[in-house]
This record gives sequence, C-alpha cells and structure tokens, in this order.
Amino acid sequence: GESVGLHLPTLSVQEGDNSIINCAYSNSASDYFIWYKQESGKGPQFIIDIRSNMDKRQGQRVTVLLNKTVKHLSLQIAATQPGDSAVYFCAGSGGTSYGKLTFGQGTILTVHP
Amino acid sequence: GAVVSQHPSWVICKSGTSVKIECRSLDFQATTMFWYRQFPKQSLMLMATSNEGSKATYEQGVEKDKFLINHASLTLSTLTVTSAHPEDSSFYICSARDPGLETQYFGPGTRLLVL
Repeated sequence: GESVGLHLPTLSVQEGDNSIINCAYSNSASDYFIWYKQESGKGPQFIIDIRSNMDKRQGQRVTVLLNKTVKHLSLQIAATQPGDSAVYFCAGSGGTSYGKLTFGQGTILTVHP
Repeated sequence: GAVVSQHPSWVICKSGTSVKIECRSLDFQATTMFWYRQFPKQSLMLMATSNEGSKATYEQGVEKDKFLINHASLTLSTLTVTSAHPEDSSFYICSARDPGLETQYFGPGTRLLVL
C-alpha cells in the first residue's frame, strides 16, 4: 500500500519579507544542484541552479548559496509574494549519480498577505 | 524554451487494466528522460531513466515488467502501467534533460487513480 509520508518542513512568512529555505546533502561527490518550485497538482518548475565551483548565484529575486564544507545549500527569496507559496525542493547530482537527480524532502512555503 | 508536456493530465481506470502516459519535450531533443512517482506530501522518487533507442534503467525496487518504458524518439517517452492496482494510484511526473546539461525540466504530471 501507499507509504506513510513524512511531514515536510514548513516556513511561514509575511508578504514582503525575505525567505530562506535550507537543504542539506550527504553525497560529497555531488557537484551540481538545482532548486525547484512545485505548486499543488503541478510538476516541479526550475528556479535556479549552481555548480560546486561556485558559492553563490543570483537570479531574479532569488539567490542560491552553496557551502560545500558543511554540505549545505540555501535558497533566498527576496520580497516574498503570495504567488511564491509552494513546496520547494533542492536536488543534486554528480559522481556516480551523474545526470540523475536526488531530491531533498521539500519545504512548504506559505506566504501570508 | 525547455517545455515538457505530459498526456493525459489525469486518468481513472479499473483495476487490472493498463494505462499509458506520454511525455514529450516540445522545444528540444531529449536523449534522456526520467520518470518519477510522487505520493502526497512526499518528495519525488525516481523510477527509471529512459534512454532514446535503448532499454530503460530502473531504480531498485521498481518492477520493469509492471512499468514499461519506451523511448522511441528524441522527443517522446512513454510509461505504461500494466495490470494496474489501487496501490499504483499516484502522481507520475516525467522530466527531460537538456542535451549536454544536467538540468532536468519537468512535465506537469499525470494523476492516476486505480479503482
């Protein structure tokens, strides 16, 4: 039967605040990381990516930070809007898993007007 | 760019029947596509990697005879759930990898309900 799901971490913010979503990874061979946004009933949508030779990458209203020393990744969303409410997943690939993405458990972001 | 479509978006079928789901890359040729399964409030679980012109590679625990994958062209991969049972009810999502890159672009997903 269907497996029992884990409770996803949640983050609630007010509209206009900055949001920070965190992700830890375990595979030290991972060298490529992506953040996806998934709205209810839809497929994941690409937000931003970063390679391991970078510590930071910026997009429109989003910044990804990578700390390889502690195997930690974060997504910062500036001036969060109600339309940003969704589940955010980090994913990584590299080493023997080249080309295949391993997904994190996801974080539910809720933005209150 | 990087648009991936899936069809159908949702399907209801009787137990024991087979269901085919199509995944198309609309604006690029994808030599590699991936099929995922997602249960409510859970992360995506990779089922198999679909390679154009060759057999799919299945993840551990995924029955290849139950989940048939065909990748006959550079823009189309299909997943057939054979002899579906209620426990196969789930959200199935495909992705296509941009050639030469590691980035995967996802389809909108197909919700399958087996009665």
